[in-house]
Amino acid sequence: DAKTTQPPSMDCAEGRAANLPCNHSTISGNEYVYWYRQIHSQGPQYIIHGLKNNETNEMASLIITEDRKSSTLILPHATLRDTAVYYCIPSGWISYGKLTFGQGTILTVHP
Amino acid sequence: DTAVSQTPKYLVTQMGNDKSIKCEQNLGHDTMYWYKQDSKKFLKIMFSYNNKELIINETVPNRFSPKSPDKAHLNLHINSLELGDSAVYFCASSQDLGDGNQPQHFGDGTRLSIL
Repeated sequence: DAKTTQPPSMDCAEGRAANLPCNHSTISGNEYVYWYRQIHSQGPQYIIHGLKNNETNEMASLIITEDRKSSTLILPHATLRDTAVYYCIPSGWISYGKLTFGQGTILTVHP
Repeated sequence: DTAVSQTPKYLVTQMGNDKSIKCEQNLGHDTMYWYKQDSKKFLKIMFSYNNKELIINETVPNRFSPKSPDKAHLNLHINSLELGDSAVYFCASSQDLGDGNQPQHFGDGTRLSIL
């Protein structure tokens, strides 16, 4: 399983962009970078994933470095409802799609 | 419409009892999973099934037995419950295993408390 390193916690002001970094230097060539979040007492929620190219959807943008050893999740206009634990998880067919959750980053969005 | 639903939401029972947690998905997915989140909030995979066939079994005690009657259901039966089984159990599903390019969708969890 690829190891990941994320800051334990981050703060962000409401309305500002939240940039959450993740280091995954041991990622395999065929593993995607997935981002999930868990809002208190709820099940993990899928946000976005990518292989090599940057990706954007209605929730967030994902920037993956060219060497694929790190990525950044961007929430363009954070709201109070974005307060959650964010997990960056490399996953692919090599691990049968298994998600190995680390400690994640606790993002707190302040008014 | 709930995509991945688990029942019950809460389960409080005595040590030594046998209990089951049910999971159903209406997404038409081929693969289903069980994860356990302990008191320290670590989420860890337990099992996965693809088309009713066991794919992942992560060194879970054999008191835990998943059963998949069809692709839309993956139930978890636990025998002889122990105090350490207290946790939140999450069910998830994905389209298929494929090349790993399939996000998983999670249920809201079943909170199991052993007295």
